[in-house]
This record gives sequence, C-alpha cells and structure tokens, in this order.
Amino acid sequence: GESVGLHLPTLSVQEGDNSIINCAYSNSASDYFIWYKQESGKGPQFIIDIRSNMDKRQGQRVTVLLNKTVKHLSLQIAATQPGDSAVYFCAETRPGYSTLTFGKGTMLLVSP
Amino acid sequence: DGGITQSPKYLFRKEGQNVTLSCEQNLNHDAMYWYRQDPGQGLRLIYYSQIVNDFQKGDIAEGYSVSREKKESFPLTVTSAQKNPTAFYLCASSLHQADTEAFFGQGTRLTVV
Repeated sequence: GESVGLHLPTLSVQEGDNSIINCAYSNSASDYFIWYKQESGKGPQFIIDIRSNMDKRQGQRVTVLLNKTVKHLSLQIAATQPGDSAVYFCAETRPGYSTLTFGKGTMLLVSP
Repeated sequence: DGGITQSPKYLFRKEGQNVTLSCEQNLNHDAMYWYRQDPGQGLRLIYYSQIVNDFQKGDIAEGYSVSREKKESFPLTVTSAQKNPTAFYLCASSLHQADTEAFFGQGTRLTVV
C-alpha cells in the first residue's frame, strides 16, 4: 500500500510464500503502470508493466493485476525468495504527461 | 553493454559549493530524467529532458540546474541555493516519453559536510 510519512509499509514473508504488494493511484486517466524493484543503495530495476487496456499481465514469477474501477494495482510474486527482498515501487503516467509518478514504495522482507 | 551510468557513486560537498553529477546513456534514448530520493521516500522529479537542447522543471527544481547538449548526457548541477542537498540522486532514461520503460542508473549519494 501507500505510506504517509517517513516509514515505508513493510511486508514480511517466509521463503516460498507468495507475496502481494499493493498500490493505489488517484488519477482515473492513468493508462500506463510500471513496477520497479530497488535494492539497498542501487537504482530501481524494471519488473513488469501493464497498460490500461489490460487487467492482468504475467512475467517470470510475477503477475501484475490492474483494477481500474477502484484504481488499484498489485504485484504478485510467486515462491518468494530471499533475493526478492527490496523496496518495490509502482509508477504511473497518463496521456499528455511526459513523466512517471512514483508511489512511496513497500519494503518486502523475505526470511529463509 | 548498453546502459545508463552515473558518476561518482559517492560525492561529498562543502556547504556553499556547486557540484555536478554525471549521467551518460548509450541506449539511444530520447528522454532523460533526474530524481531525488530521501530515506524511506519515493522518487521526486527534479528535471527532465525529452530532446537535446531542451529540458523542463520537475516538481523540485529549485536549487538545481541541468543541460542537454548531447543526446547521451544529462548532467545535474546541485547549486549552493539548494538548502538540503544531502540525498540519493537517480538518473533515468526512456526511449521516448514516459509511456515506455525507464531505465535507471545506480545512483549518486551526495552528502554535504
């Protein structure tokens, strides 16, 4: 989910569990969404994207779901591994916009 | 290898000094961006450029300046007018505008001493 203030929301899971990270967006005109993974001290890495003409897209071990009715995006990670531990950001843009707008991020902690 | 390179990885600045952060990409991307990230926070847009010799202010441009003289390069200068410059700075590029994947560099951590 989205955070307020300095503390990121944190999701703690056990290795092998499935993880679901959520993101809410506010503008109904948003039509392109990306999930990024950021490990400590590094730049964000692209995970998966989805356009508003789709409601689901799958990658390797990841699935993004888009619910335009409630303006909600989720990232599902199957069989979570310790290497998945990172901060996950959603980002969105809309027609006529030249830049992405980022959410504040969710920290995923995976225990062996 | 194609990619986006930021340098230096760590930078220390004395108060009152200007410093320039380097960002180079060999992906032939038109658009480039600078973001600032503070601890526990998301990314905030400083400046962006969609084409050579053109750039626009983002949400927090005050105290920063940029240039885009070459397609591959988008340096960011943190001026003495930026009151709280200590942060993690991220450069990104995308093929065209924002509706395509943005690739990020590994960041520069700037500390004012």
